[in-house]
Amino acid sequence: DSGVTQTPKHLITATGQRVTLRCSPRSGDLSVYWYQQSLDQGLQFLIQYYNGEERAKGNILERFSAQQFPDLHSELNLSSLELGDSALYFCASSVEGTTNEQFFGPGTRLTVL
Amino acid sequence: DQQVKQNSPSLSVQEGRISILNCDYTNSMFDYFLWYKKYPAEGPTFLISISSIKDKNEDGRFTVFLNKSAKHLSLHIVPSQPGDSAVYFCAASAEINTDKLIFGTGTRLQVFP
Repeated sequence: DSGVTQTPKHLITATGQRVTLRCSPRSGDLSVYWYQQSLDQGLQFLIQYYNGEERAKGNILERFSAQQFPDLHSELNLSSLELGDSALYFCASSVEGTTNEQFFGPGTRLTVL
Repeated sequence: DQQVKQNSPSLSVQEGRISILNCDYTNSMFDYFLWYKKYPAEGPTFLISISSIKDKNEDGRFTVFLNKSAKHLSLHIVPSQPGDSAVYFCAASAEINTDKLIFGTGTRLQVFP
């Protein structure tokens, strides 16, 4: 158990819909990262927040957005969903936004039908 | 553009023998490398890391070697155990730029008795 929690575990929805994925980092971690893993692919970095502020952005689509709240939990919002958005979405956290070690949650499996 | 490559999608090794997982990278700005292990239905778990100022880092049965001139790193597991059966991801970062990790596509290791 990494200490990072993600909800829900599974999500099935239809094209065009909007969903919200939630992540609670480890206690004391200020930085939250979101990654997407599509079938047979590596993890693709989407976005990073540090203490409530956006720090780095990867190949995140404009239909996707994220935020980190004062209690440090984070939400990833995916809108106008397409079939290709079906993937595993992982959240990770670290202490000070360094890459020395990121602790990953169990992921949310999103299926878009 | 795959900056971190794991060219072997799978590897099968007998228990007790050495497992060698390979990773190549193209970006000379990468200065920190990590290996993660992933079991099904779980998030990746940090295994071992190495800074570009070193060429070897050892932690128990796990050793990572870095060859900067060849832009190549490898993970050695000795002796291999059935519990090591998992997908192994190589990841890299250029700390001077961002905290994001660039992941390879993973190698599935199977250790058989």
